[in-house]
Order: sequence, then structure tokens, then C-alpha cells
Amino acid sequence: NAGVTQTPKFQVLKTGQSMTLQCAQDMNHNSMYWYRQDPGMGLRLIYYSASEGTTDKGEVPNGYNVSRLNKREFSLRLESAAPSQTSVYFCAGKTGENYGYTFGSGTRLTVV
Amino acid sequence: AQSVSQHNHHVILSEAASLELGCNYSYGGTVNLFWYVQYPGQHLQLLLKYFSGDPLVKGIKGFEAEFIKSKFSFNLRKPSVQWSDTAEYFCAVKGNNRLAFGKGNQVVVIP
Repeated sequence: NAGVTQTPKFQVLKTGQSMTLQCAQDMNHNSMYWYRQDPGMGLRLIYYSASEGTTDKGEVPNGYNVSRLNKREFSLRLESAAPSQTSVYFCAGKTGENYGYTFGSGTRLTVV
Repeated sequence: AQSVSQHNHHVILSEAASLELGCNYSYGGTVNLFWYVQYPGQHLQLLLKYFSGDPLVKGIKGFEAEFIKSKFSFNLRKPSVQWSDTAEYFCAVKGNNRLAFGKGNQVVVIP
């Protein structure tokens, strides 16, 4: 039982490059989330998906797109990376209203 | 939208000292409150959560938190910390199907 799995764990991009961060879960989560964590800022919600086929913007969606491919997978895409997107990205899932959120181990992204 | 405020972003204390981290939230609906811990280099782990019932919630590793509705607070406490409690602690409130986090408390426990 892997829980919430993120790939890659580390990535360095040049400004303007694109990439997709992958997130997969095997916990039957209905809702999935993408957060970014920056020093002194806590975690900020980028996008979330309340159910398969639906996505909604969070607090800081600019420069990102997401896809909820199926119930298990929720990917985050940077079309044209910028240095301001250097951060640690966490994917999370939630099964039901009375449960907490389960987080992946994170992707550390550096844009140079 | 909901928001969370955490105070004393950096806390340094000695082993066996008591720890209390403040958390105040803002949300007009029914609140679900959480404390998460992030050990160095690791992902977030749930310490405890409050949904309803007894406002004093006990979590893992000897942590507890008290929900005080009149003060919009959910403070985290541990009577006696250990070096292994060195970590960053985040308070979070759930509303509108999303979780909003505070900026975190960096706690360093000196042996």
C-alpha cells in the first residue's frame, strides 16, 4: 500500500521549459490536491479535484494546469517554468469528510 | 474563504520543556481543524484532528490540542518535548472542500 506517490522527487528546469508532476494514489481518495510549499509561506493550494473529471482553482493557480486522468491520478503541469515556481510541491488526497488528508513525499523543483 | 494564523514562527526550547503553539482560524462554516507535522526532509504527517465532540483532542506522540470556539483557536500542546520533536508544525482548517494552512512553526528542541 503505497498511499500517495509523487514523481519525480527532484527536478531542475530551465526557464521556459515545461514538465508534468505526477501523482497517483491507491487509497480510493475521491478528492485530490496540489500544494506548493515555500519558506515562511506554509502550504498554498494550487488546484484541487473534488472528484474524477472535475478540477478547480485554488489560491495560486497561475502558471499551472492540472488533469484528473482517472480516480487514481492527478497531474500538475507547468507549461513554461519560471524561477518563481521554484518550490516543493505536495500532492494530497482525501477519502471522505471525516478523514484527514494524506500527503505524498513531495517534489522539489528548481527553475534556473 | 478560510484562513489560519500561527504565531511565534520560530521556537527554540530544551528537552523536557513544555510546548504550546498557537493557532487562530477564520471560517464562517462548520470547522474541521488539523495539526500536521513535517520532520526535516519529510512530507506532512497528521498529528491530530478535530471534527466535533470533545474539544480536547489527543493525537500521536503525546500531542494534544484544544478547540475553543469562542476564541477561534486550536492550540497545540505537549507537556514535555524530546529532541525528536524538532520539526515544522502546521495548523490547518478545512472548508469548502479545501484545506487552508497556516505559515507554520519551526520548532527546534535542544538536547
